[in-house]
Amino acid sequence: DIQMTQSPSSLSASVGDRVTITCRASQSISKYLIWYQQKPGQAPKLLIYSASSLQSGVPSRFSGSGSGTDFTLSISSLQPEDFATYYCQQSYSTAYTFGQGTKLEIK
Amino acid sequence: QVTLRESGPALVKPTQTLTLTCTFSGFSLSTSDMCVSWIRQPPGKALEWLARIDWDDDKYYSTSLKTRLTISKDTSRNEVFLTMTNMDPVDTATYYCTRILASRQQIDYWGQGTLVTVSS
Repeated sequence: DIQMTQSPSSLSASVGDRVTITCRASQSISKYLIWYQQKPGQAPKLLIYSASSLQSGVPSRFSGSGSGTDFTLSISSLQPEDFATYYCQQSYSTAYTFGQGTKLEIK
Repeated sequence: QVTLRESGPALVKPTQTLTLTCTFSGFSLSTSDMCVSWIRQPPGKALEWLARIDWDDDKYYSTSLKTRLTISKDTSRNEVFLTMTNMDPVDTATYYCTRILASRQQIDYWGQGTLVTVSS
């Protein structure tokens, strides 16, 4: 199976900060990379697909980049509602795999 | 609009078999490109993909769990089923039913999830 490794596992930041989360695949996955946001007690929400395409309705402060094995999710100016856990997922292989998550907390 | 809802027992004993049902609306699993997948999340831990069934009845399973899982569908009732045998306390998790469009390979809709606890 393709292993997905996220870093950092947790991150403290302030409202207005720019933050970046990285995701690395154990083999090339082209641009088959998806980012989700999950808040406590809720199902994940699709943010970014195909590594860099913004899902409809997602604020433009979210952006994704990368291809091959290295990917990033950036949030340009943190808002209070952005504090959550973020997961990457590869869809290159039908045996989908997720990263371990990055918990974004308020500093 | 698309909705998915998971149902099944909240508590199972070790060694028992778990059967979960996903009841969905807003799409049909007889339509090309439609797929339903199960994903789980132990309390405080990461997401884990389990299985997927496609409109043409193709099925895919997690490598590590495939000997314990069976996914099936009843297209006429808009239902997908997941059975997991030989349940263990480490299988305690929230189980999510999701929709995938095969052409886009992304999970675009999630159910609210159902918590299954494995304990004697």
